[in-house]
Amino acid sequence: IAGITQAPTSQILAAGRRMTLRCTQDMRHNAMYWYRQDLGLGLRLIHYSNTAGTTGKGEVPDGYSVSRANTDDFPLTLASAVPSQTSVYFCAIQWAGPDGYTFGSGTRLTVV
Amino acid sequence: SQQGEEDPQALSIQEGENATMNCSYKTSINNLQWYRQNSGRGLVHLILIRSNEREKHSGRLRVTLDTSKKSSSLLITASRAADTASYFCATEDAGNMLTFGGGTRLMVKP
Repeated sequence: IAGITQAPTSQILAAGRRMTLRCTQDMRHNAMYWYRQDLGLGLRLIHYSNTAGTTGKGEVPDGYSVSRANTDDFPLTLASAVPSQTSVYFCAIQWAGPDGYTFGSGTRLTVV
Repeated sequence: SQQGEEDPQALSIQEGENATMNCSYKTSINNLQWYRQNSGRGLVHLILIRSNEREKHSGRLRVTLDTSKKSSSLLITASRAADTASYFCATEDAGNMLTFGGGTRLMVKP
């Protein structure tokens, strides 16, 4: 079982370009999340989706959009990347039991 | 803004010693979770303690929760070099949103 897969692993992106970070799960969990991690700031929630067809804004949603067309996929799009979006991005799914959230391995994005 | 704040920000100990990390938070929670992150890797869930629990154990991990003080602690006993990592507390609110603190960087010297 792969669990949760993120792609790409890393990317260098020119400012102003559009970029979609992919997140796919094979665990059929309803709730999915996108976080960004910056040094010294922990993880901050960008967007979330409680179920297919619904999305919501987190703490730092500006400059990002998401969609949830089905249960398995939750892509994060940067419409026009800026250097301040340089970060490590983590996708997560919520496990309803005692095991908390499961995180993907992350996408390291550098906007230059 | 961050819900959880870890203390200390960094901790260096010798192998075999115990490591204690603290977490404080601001608002009501459903549960509090601790995660571990090795350098360059994703987060791994360690333990979850519900708001009506006061203490929980998992192997060498012991977590306490004091809702009156809005604080939690993670104790790692008999530390090993392999425990070197960053540790994050995260609080889940009534809306099932998980909010993370800034983390504690633990170094265990062999």
